[in-house]
Amino acid sequence: EIVMTQSPATLSVSPGERATLSCRASQSVNIDLAWYQQKPGQAPRRLIYGSATRATGIPARFSGSGSGTEFTLTISSLQAEDFAVYYCQQYNDWPLTFGGGTKVEIK
Amino acid sequence: QLLESGGGLVQPGGSLRLSCAASGFTFNTYAMIWVRQAPGKGLEWVSSLDVGSNSIHYADSVRGRFTVSGDSSRNTLHLQMNSLRVEDTAVYYCAGYKYRYGIDPWGQGTLVSVSS
Repeated sequence: EIVMTQSPATLSVSPGERATLSCRASQSVNIDLAWYQQKPGQAPRRLIYGSATRATGIPARFSGSGSGTEFTLTISSLQAEDFAVYYCQQYNDWPLTFGGGTKVEIK
Repeated sequence: QLLESGGGLVQPGGSLRLSCAASGFTFNTYAMIWVRQAPGKGLEWVSSLDVGSNSIHYADSVRGRFTVSGDSSRNTLHLQMNSLRVEDTAVYYCAGYKYRYGIDPWGQGTLVSVSS
């Protein structure tokens, strides 16, 4: 099983600042990686797939990068609606696995 | 586009059958998956069914207890859950999955509580 590790667990950021979230895979997943945003009481929402491709309707302030085992999600200028939990997920191999999540909170 | 039903409270050792009705997209062009989230915890993939390739996968934690099935004529996915354990307590999400595109869309989730 490919283990996904996210860091940090919690990120405190002021509105308008940049947020950088990390995700590491225990073995190479090429670019078979997605990022999801989840707000309390809601289902996750896909933000990024293929490591760097924004899903339809996702603002340009969200960007993804990386390949192999190291990945990054960057939110260039945090808006109020961006405070949430973010998960990375690999789909290179079964079982599909998620990272433990990074909570982005207001500083 | 995806609507789950069938959740509820059940005693340990009991059974539940979840359903997921899909609308607005072509069921057969996706693999359909179940993902769960225990209270206050992260996301865990549970099972997947690819009607097109007749491929089924299960997480080790549910293999032998859960059975996924689908009815492409009715665009409906099911998850039969037997021998339920306290640790199966979670919100269960139905979702569509395509390799290279990740998991989308997602249903709103249905809560399964296993408790005596």
